[in-house]
Amino acid sequence: EPEVTQTPSHQVTQMGQEVILRCVPISNHLYFYWYRQILGQKVEFLVSFYNNEISEKSEIFDDQFSVERPDGSNFTLKIRSTKLEDSAMYFCASSEAVFGNEKLFFGSGTQLSVL
Amino acid sequence: AQTVTQSQPEMSVQEAETVTLSCTYDTSESDYYLFWYKQPPSRQMILVIRQEAYKQQNATENRFSVNFQKAAKSFSLKISDSQLGDAAMYFCAPGSIGGSQGNLIFGKGTKLSVKP
Repeated sequence: EPEVTQTPSHQVTQMGQEVILRCVPISNHLYFYWYRQILGQKVEFLVSFYNNEISEKSEIFDDQFSVERPDGSNFTLKIRSTKLEDSAMYFCASSEAVFGNEKLFFGSGTQLSVL
Repeated sequence: AQTVTQSQPEMSVQEAETVTLSCTYDTSESDYYLFWYKQPPSRQMILVIRQEAYKQQNATENRFSVNFQKAAKSFSLKISDSQLGDAAMYFCAPGSIGGSQGNLIFGKGTKLSVKP
């Protein structure tokens, strides 16, 4: 079965540094998403992306976050100046977005640790 | 705004037995979907089952089935013949059709343990 691929699986960074989390969605999917999960808490929506622009974003997704689809396969999440509270598992997901089919396929996640 | 409540932080079941995980939600949407996702220790999010709110028939996927009560806004997951591999966190999530595609609101999860 096709998979969403995320790299790296673990990322350690210093507070204030920029990080880029990378994702390769399933090739025929059109909608892309980022979610995050702080350890021991629920999974939270960050942003959805379609047709090279943000479709929707949550309150968490403030100015320090940005997303990009730099080429035909990658989908990235950039955190400009990381904070301690950004430490979390970040999940990328994609979907075909055919009407009536919102099955999201999630990647295995990138564990971000901000020191 | 949608809210999701999973009232059972932890559940335990004997292998081969049946367990039901509860979920209630609140939504202003008239058409929507409901999902159960499984998160094993690897922390990958895996879709278990999906229910369309406009369908009266409860969804079934092998050993997994739902009891969907639209009026009560209840969406419970039943796991039959539980297996050791079913041990995981289970998250309930409603999703809308028209507006927020992919903006799933997850519950806090239920940790399921399976005893051999």
